[in-house]
Amino acid sequence: AQKITQTQPGMFVQEKEAVTLDCTYDTSDQSYGLFWYKQPSSGEMIFLIYQGSYDEQNATEGRYSLNFQKARKSANLVISASQLGDSAMYFCAMREGLRTGRRALTFGSGTRLQVQP
Amino acid sequence: GAVVSQHPSRVICKSGTSVKIECRSLDFQATTMFWYRQFPKQSLMLMATSNEGSKATYEQGVEKDKFLINHASLTLSTLTVTSAHPEDSSFYICSARDGRLAGINEQFFGPGTRLTVL
Repeated sequence: AQKITQTQPGMFVQEKEAVTLDCTYDTSDQSYGLFWYKQPSSGEMIFLIYQGSYDEQNATEGRYSLNFQKARKSANLVISASQLGDSAMYFCAMREGLRTGRRALTFGSGTRLQVQP
Repeated sequence: GAVVSQHPSRVICKSGTSVKIECRSLDFQATTMFWYRQFPKQSLMLMATSNEGSKATYEQGVEKDKFLINHASLTLSTLTVTSAHPEDSSFYICSARDGRLAGINEQFFGPGTRLTVL
């Protein structure tokens, strides 16, 4: 089974509008972390936001917020007031926790966001 | 934030040659580094986990004799693609873990190396 599922291969959004990128995850661990990264055409991985499984509040970082619904195992990224520079590939990732001791990240397949003027 | 560098950023080589990629943590000590591979229009796939002073742990399906990983110091890990073939052409990205940040965003990515094997 896929650990991280991103069902939207591509998304379009108008400049200044908000957009939600979907991510669902699968883990039996109680302690885990969820991440969103942006990858522009240059290839670098830019960290956007982190949500820990025990965090009760949804994470926010500037125009980025993470809609964390633990019971549904979803961690959607919301980008408010989209800008042309937001056009990129976006990856959801998970780090599973203490049970496995595994520190590596597992990535979803990504969503390509295109912001239109 | 922490800085991780990779060198070279881009390399083109002939089939059969070996290529070494360096990953350095510039302002922190990284007990663990990770090597990922990304084929065009695909996601990042973990190849191996590298711990300083010990042998790397490879993911299933990754040939350890082909992808040699050395983590000789707390700031440097190297990936050597031996006898490279066109199917090894890919984007290779390393990340380094800052153990002081355990529990939050503790991994920092390098800018990646684009390998093209002719």
